Amino acid sequence: DAKTTQPTSMDCAEGRAANLPCNHSTISGNEYVYWYRQIHSQGPQYIIHGLKNNETNEMASLIITEDRKSSTLILPHATLRDTAVYYCIPSYTGGFKTIFGAGTRLFVKA
Amino acid sequence: DVKVTQSSRYLVKRTGEKVFLECVQDMDHENMFWYRQDPGLGLRLIYFSYDVKMKEKGDIPEGYSVSREKKERFSLILESASTNQTSMYLCASSSPVRLAGVSGELFFGEGSRLTVL
Repeated sequence: DAKTTQPTSMDCAEGRAANLPCNHSTISGNEYVYWYRQIHSQGPQYIIHGLKNNETNEMASLIITEDRKSSTLILPHATLRDTAVYYCIPSYTGGFKTIFGAGTRLFVKA
Repeated sequence: DVKVTQSSRYLVKRTGEKVFLECVQDMDHENMFWYRQDPGLGLRLIYFSYDVKMKEKGDIPEGYSVSREKKERFSLILESASTNQTSMYLCASSSPVRLAGVSGELFFGEGSRLTVL
């Protein structure tokens, strides 16, 4: 199973872009990179995922390096409600072998 | 709105009691999962099921059992609750990717916080 390295915590000013990095240098060729977040006292919520190409949806953008060893989740205009723990998880689709690490605790400040 | 519903948000039980945690999903998902979450240890997989009546052990199955009699329902059972099973329990479901447009992500419930005294 691929191991990930994420910063323990990050701060971001409200309205600014939040860029959350993740290193997954041991990712295998058919593992996707999934991002989830967990707001305090709630279950994790899916944000976005990708295999090779950059992806964008209504919540965020995902930038994956060409060698697939790292990725960056971008929240373009962070709000206070984006304060949460963000998990980067290399995983096969369907949820099997989805291993949650410690994640990055993002604090969005007014 | 798609949903994973866990039966109880908060429970308090006594040591030795049998505890049932119920989870229901309305998305017709084949896969269902039970995790527990503890401070400093993150989310750990207890059991999962990929079909009715099928179950597989996760990373920490000891002290737990599961039941999946219907596709939409996955129950976690603590046969004899102990204090070290005090935790937040999270249920999730997903669909294997066989259809175009299916992302294969996990959908989580709100969690059940169990305290064993």
